[in-house]
Amino acid sequence: KAGVTQTPRYLIKTRGQQVTLSCSPISGHRSVSWYQQTPGQGLQFLFEYFSETQRNKGNFPGRFSGRQFSNSRSEMNVSTLELGDSALYLCASSPYRVREQYFGPGTRLTVT
Amino acid sequence: GENVEQHPSTLSVQEGDSAVIKCTYSDSASNYFPWYKQELGKRPQLIIDIRSNVGEKKDQRIAVTLNKTAKHFSLHITETQPEDSAVYFCAASREGSGTYKYIFGTGTRLKVLA
Repeated sequence: KAGVTQTPRYLIKTRGQQVTLSCSPISGHRSVSWYQQTPGQGLQFLFEYFSETQRNKGNFPGRFSGRQFSNSRSEMNVSTLELGDSALYLCASSPYRVREQYFGPGTRLTVT
Repeated sequence: GENVEQHPSTLSVQEGDSAVIKCTYSDSASNYFPWYKQELGKRPQLIIDIRSNVGEKKDQRIAVTLNKTAKHFSLHITETQPEDSAVYFCAASREGSGTYKYIFGTGTRLKVLA
């Protein structure tokens, strides 16, 4: 099976802009989670989707949002970008009823 | 709130020696504890995990131990090799809660010196 894929891999935006990141889970996986990875904070949970429903959300401002489509692909959106949003954004997928998460390669977002 | 503390933040060992990384979690309802290895520029990869009904699990040179009373779990790598050099993350999660939210530790950079 193909692994989790994320597009784009690299992105440079300026403050105030918005950005949309995409994640395609492993075929058959219905849960997609998003994490923000920064050198100082490690991996921080953003949100998790299952069958197009957001099941959990981390402690991030409302500028961070996401959605999941019927084919389990997921997108996350960050509006009004700030310098502090520069990070590696990782998504991970899980099979139904199995705890293990499989990560994608991430999208490196740089905000200037 | 939910929190996972991980120590040390960096660890250097000689090739062939053992390495131990320790994590402490705050949510007593956590019952699933995975460990991930992230090599430079690559995605995190699951290397071993343990559930709360087990005290220890081993897979070749790596093992994980869990002390539920102390809310503490550790990763042990024996006979370390240069390819073990990476950042290791522990995490805690509630299996069966209907969500796959992981709380991660801040990571340990392991350097194996040849």
